[in-house]
Amino acid sequence: AQTVTQSQPEMSVQEAETVTLSCTYDTSESDYYLFWYKQPPSRQMILVIRQEAYKQQNATENRFSVNFQKAAKSFSLKISDSQLGDAAMYFCAYGKTSYDKVIFGPGTSLSVIP
Amino acid sequence: ETGVTQTPRHLVMGMTNKKSLKCEQHLGHNAMYWYKQSAKKPLELMFVYSLEERVENNSVPSRFSPECPNSSHLFLHLHTLQPEDSALYLCASSFKTGGGEKLFFGSGTQLSVL
Repeated sequence: AQTVTQSQPEMSVQEAETVTLSCTYDTSESDYYLFWYKQPPSRQMILVIRQEAYKQQNATENRFSVNFQKAAKSFSLKISDSQLGDAAMYFCAYGKTSYDKVIFGPGTSLSVIP
Repeated sequence: ETGVTQTPRHLVMGMTNKKSLKCEQHLGHNAMYWYKQSAKKPLELMFVYSLEERVENNSVPSRFSPECPNSSHLFLHLHTLQPEDSALYLCASSFKTGGGEKLFFGSGTQLSVL
């Protein structure tokens, strides 16, 4: 069965600094997708970044980038120039192409210190 | 705003009450989902609807009854709930079902069962 692990329940970062959130997953598939979702205090979860496993190039979205290590089954999220609005729960998620569902990790709570 | 609206935002109910959660999406999506988010636990997928047909029921107790009258609306009918059902219930939609699809979430209904 597929699982997603986030080993850091809580993280903090100084404003304007860089932070990396870790995620590992377990799968026997070769074709799948990985996601990072952000859930701010408003509770409305939004997609931060999406990676297709067959693409070797790491996805980036402005200040957000990932380090995708397929062999190691690792998918970390790097947030550069951290801002106060980045404070939120971050969920790593996995989706198999032929599946109807996405599996979420337990989340990492990120605090941004002014 | 993600285009997915959930009501009510908060709900307190007794174990013998009957209530319903409502979700509406204005994105033209064909798939809708109910997730349960409990403290310290990963998001749990409850139900998946594709074109108004239920395609996934993740071993959810019968006291939770979903309804999808059209592709824009999704309900979760609740009756004789237990205190352990207290959680944040999130609705999501996507263009179609599939593990690679981007999910659009509502702000959730925070449910407390007394």
